[in-house]
Amino acid sequence: DSGVTQTPKHLITATGQRVTLRCSPRSGDLSVYWYQQSLDQGLQFLIQYYNGEERAKGNILERFSAQQFPDLHSELNLSSLELGDSALYFCASSPHRSNEQFFGPGTRLTVL
Amino acid sequence: DAKTTQPTSMDCAEGRAANLPCNHSTISGNEYVYWYRQIHSQGPQYIIHGLKNNETNEMASLIITEDRKSSTLILPHATLRDTAVYYCIVRDAFSMNRDDKIIFGKGTRLHILP
Repeated sequence: DSGVTQTPKHLITATGQRVTLRCSPRSGDLSVYWYQQSLDQGLQFLIQYYNGEERAKGNILERFSAQQFPDLHSELNLSSLELGDSALYFCASSPHRSNEQFFGPGTRLTVL
Repeated sequence: DAKTTQPTSMDCAEGRAANLPCNHSTISGNEYVYWYRQIHSQGPQYIIHGLKNNETNEMASLIITEDRKSSTLILPHATLRDTAVYYCIVRDAFSMNRDDKIIFGKGTRLHILP
């Protein structure tokens, strides 16, 4: 158990819908990262937040957005969902001044 | 793009040492070598990291060549639970002025055989 929690574990929805994935980092970790893992693309970095502010962006679609709240939990919002958005979405957190990232168990999103 | 090259897959007999190679010929002086693994559909798990000296922890050993252009992750007594995809990653040392995202390559799929 990494100490990072993600909800829900599974999510099934239809094309065109909007969903929110939630991540609670390890206690005290200021950085939160979101990654997407699909069968054909592997693990792809989406976005990073540090203490409430966006720190880095990867190949995140404009239909996707994220935020980190004052209590440091984070949400990833996916809208206008397409079949290709079906994937595992992982959240990771890391302590201040550390390169080590601790990953959550992931949310499996299925878009039908 | 990932800065490392790893074999696509490897087999190892249970109880034997698993040696996973990684080439990182373009590594720069301030970049560390990190290893993560991902057991089927679980979140990636940190294993070990090093700069230039060999490192050992409760999970594995990391051997880095003197020129730092390659490294080997060693799982000393592999078990069936070590079956996973192993990622070798090269990253800068932590800096508040740079992002610290992980760029994952395709990794090595390690099969531990009973």
